[in-house]
Amino acid sequence: QKEVEQNSGPLSVPEGAIASLNCTYSDRGSQSFFWYRQYSGKSPELIMFIYSNGDKEDGRFTAQLNKASQYVSLLIRDSQPSDSATYLCAGAPNSGGYQKVTFGTGTKLQVIP
Amino acid sequence: EAGVAQSPRYKIIEKRQSVAFWCNPISGHATLYWYQQILGQGPKLLIQFQNNGVVDDSQLPKDRFSAERLKGVDSTLKIQPAKLEDSAVYLCASSLTPSGRGETQYFGPGTRLLVL
Repeated sequence: QKEVEQNSGPLSVPEGAIASLNCTYSDRGSQSFFWYRQYSGKSPELIMFIYSNGDKEDGRFTAQLNKASQYVSLLIRDSQPSDSATYLCAGAPNSGGYQKVTFGTGTKLQVIP
Repeated sequence: EAGVAQSPRYKIIEKRQSVAFWCNPISGHATLYWYQQILGQGPKLLIQFQNNGVVDDSQLPKDRFSAERLKGVDSTLKIQPAKLEDSAVYLCASSLTPSGRGETQYFGPGTRLLVL
């Protein structure tokens, strides 16, 4: 069983719409969750992290965490063509004083102009 | 602030040959990570260093892969002998500390390895 699962997509949304990216995880010990964006041929870059239940907003991005349901999501408001990329969800337990990040396979987002 | 540096950027080798990758983390970052990213998959952690000590190498194929981080700064990852399935992008990342919530990992540009 994969520890972090994402729908590989592609998820297509029109420009200006809300893109909703979802992620589930199996390890209840996971404490922190991350969303990374990876453009084709490039390295991942951090968009947001969240470790408390509820919502966390940063500009057009909102991360949502529901530990009871083991569910993490990322909402992108007013989607732009430049948001087209693969979005990687990652979880990390706080074990042994260090965090080991486990990545999902990523969801490819396509924003249609 | 300079980012994570990696070299080479691309490497093509034949199976059973050996190859080495180099990484220089962001200055002052104590934690260094090596990931393998196969096309269409998320990065998989191979090894994690805290300064020059290994804190996790549970997914490193130790019969063919080795890594070291001398003096707690630069790191090298070696594959010997390479197999076809080692074709992937090898990403190096670093973070200021290994623990705590939301510790950001900064990734280098990666080394694209093709094994023929």
